[in-house]
Amino acid sequence: NAGVTQTPKFQVLKTGQSMTLQCAQDMNHNSMYWYRQDPGMGLRLIYYSASEGTTDKGEVPNGYNVSRLNKREFSLRLESAAPSQTSVYFCASSDPNQPQHFGDGTRLSIL
Amino acid sequence: TQLLEQSPQFLSIQEGENLTVYCNSSSVFSSLQWYRQEPGEGPVLLVTVVTGGEVKKLKRLTFQFGDARKDSSLHITAAQPGDTGLYLCAGARAGGTSYGKLTFGQGTILTVHP
Repeated sequence: NAGVTQTPKFQVLKTGQSMTLQCAQDMNHNSMYWYRQDPGMGLRLIYYSASEGTTDKGEVPNGYNVSRLNKREFSLRLESAAPSQTSVYFCASSDPNQPQHFGDGTRLSIL
Repeated sequence: TQLLEQSPQFLSIQEGENLTVYCNSSSVFSSLQWYRQEPGEGPVLLVTVVTGGEVKKLKRLTFQFGDARKDSSLHITAAQPGDTGLYLCAGARAGGTSYGKLTFGQGTILTVHP
């Protein structure tokens, strides 16, 4: 029962380093999403991919890039990490008009 | 700008008490979802409400969608320690797909003491 798998679970970076967060889903969903969760802010959408081959900006896209590698995988890249990007990152997937299924998150600290 | 205002942000109660969490907005949503999240895990969907005025019950949890589809509430009867967690409301904007881009409230951290 894998569902949505995120790697790594934890990561510490120095300011300016780059990193890619990986996400894979095994439910054959068309849509995939990246969120960040900060205390008192709920979840905020960074980028989403409505279907394979398409990506669109969400509420807070600055400083991030994404790649929908195939139907299963949707990665999030930080080209030059900043302390403001310290957060918990969640990937989710869904089919149209169906609930979103979330991974267990990647806890990222940027020093 | 927080489109969904969730309150209260923190709630600490004794086992057996009742509680209500509110989710309010000036925007109309095509649907509103409630999630529960435990430490170290992602949010898990509890319920979706779609029709204005709709009421859904899930054991001791009662969810209501406002008539104008701008607000929602979650009521827990006789809370138990197992209800402890972070509760999140999330709205899908009117005009979009029901489960497409979601706007989340800030969350309510509920602690139920034995």
